[in-house]
Amino acid sequence: AQSVAQPEDQVNVAEGNPLTVKCTYSVSGNPYLFWYVQYPNRGLQFLLKYITGDNLVKGSYGFEAEFNKSQTSFHLKKPSALVSDSALYFCAVRPVYNTDKLIFGTGTRLQVFP
Amino acid sequence: GAVVSQHPSRVICKSGTSVKIECRSLDFQATTMFWYRQFPKQSLMLMATSNEGSKATYEQGVEKDKFLINHASLTLSTLTVTSAHPEDSSFYICSAREIGVQGTEAFFGQGTRLTVV
Repeated sequence: AQSVAQPEDQVNVAEGNPLTVKCTYSVSGNPYLFWYVQYPNRGLQFLLKYITGDNLVKGSYGFEAEFNKSQTSFHLKKPSALVSDSALYFCAVRPVYNTDKLIFGTGTRLQVFP
Repeated sequence: GAVVSQHPSRVICKSGTSVKIECRSLDFQATTMFWYRQFPKQSLMLMATSNEGSKATYEQGVEKDKFLINHASLTLSTLTVTSAHPEDSSFYICSAREIGVQGTEAFFGQGTRLTVV
């Protein structure tokens, strides 16, 4: 079955420290990969995507993600966390055989402490 | 990025009544829109795929007679929760992706918090 895993329900990090939010997937072929962020009672905001090319992709608000094909991972990273980064983060995958549907991970709550 | 507008953002209705939620793509056209439901502290559950000019495709376990979807134009899809009950209370989110462009991301509405009393 196609799936996306975000192994950590919550990630805590001090402001100014680097952060990593993990994502692995089990989808056949070469899927498109996405990260979204959700603030309370809001929809999802697009952060970044990997389609092809350089394994390190840069996105909004200083976030970046590294695609690792052998490990089927797409971890979200930021060199220096801000308190305002505290939110719910979702990893999503779009299989190439179905160019519309997104498969979402369960989400990781990021808490950045001052 | 592209904008998807969802309305209303919050609605309270009485049990047994129907509620309509609108999803509009403001600056692009979308032949397909998606409706999700999100429970507290959980991920998004895809309910149905809304297809412009044709019937929606519902995911397994979603009652199509209860969650009516209409996609009348390339910029508007509506979800109507019919005969709502308290267990329908949830956060509903729509998304859309621009037609004819490969590899683009989906854009999401702001979500609608439905409370059935």
